[in-house]
Amino acid sequence: NAGVTQTPKFQVLKTGQSMTLQCAQDMNHEYMSWYRQDPGMGLRLIHYSVGAGITDQGEVPNGYNVSRSTTEDFPLRLLSAAPSQTSVYFCASSQGGARGGELFFGEGSRLTVL
Amino acid sequence: GNSVTQMEGPVTLSEEAFLTINCTYTATGYPSLFWYVQYPGEGLQLLLKATKADDKGSNKGFEATYRKETTSFHLEKGSVQVSDSAVYFCALSRGSGGSNYKLTFGKGTLLTVNP
Repeated sequence: NAGVTQTPKFQVLKTGQSMTLQCAQDMNHEYMSWYRQDPGMGLRLIHYSVGAGITDQGEVPNGYNVSRSTTEDFPLRLLSAAPSQTSVYFCASSQGGARGGELFFGEGSRLTVL
Repeated sequence: GNSVTQMEGPVTLSEEAFLTINCTYTATGYPSLFWYVQYPGEGLQLLLKATKADDKGSNKGFEATYRKETTSFHLEKGSVQVSDSAVYFCALSRGSGGSNYKLTFGKGTLLTVNP
């Protein structure tokens, strides 16, 4: 059971560079989301999707883009990286409905922006 | 808006000690409440949940009761083990239907259990 798979696990960028964090799930979950985890801040929702072709902004969307062309994949794009985007990023998926709050998380992607 | 406030750590205990991590929430309507656990180097995993007032969630010896009158969902375990060392997050969602998949997380509490 692969669950939620994120790549890469570690990445170092220079300010202004762009990159994409990949996320794939094999559980046929409708709902997918991206969170960032910062010390003393808990997890904050960046973007989410309730199904293929549908995305929406979360709490901290600025500087990030997402798309959902398939049920399985939900990539997160950093358009022009800034040091403030140094963080650990988690992708999560959920079956939705009555079990919507039960999120399945990937192992995280640690990003450092210099 | 919704918010979750949980006990700030770190919390350090000896093996077999009793654990309480406090969590209180602010929310409109009737949220569902969750505890997630993050072991070192891993993503978060659901530990337990409760979906209505007076529900008790339990798993792996951990328990938490949904108290609407005090807007609390404190996590307890009677006898902790070294393997329980992790970061614990309290979270809420807006309940069944609608945006119940959008969780609001607390800041997390680091628990270290020493042998």
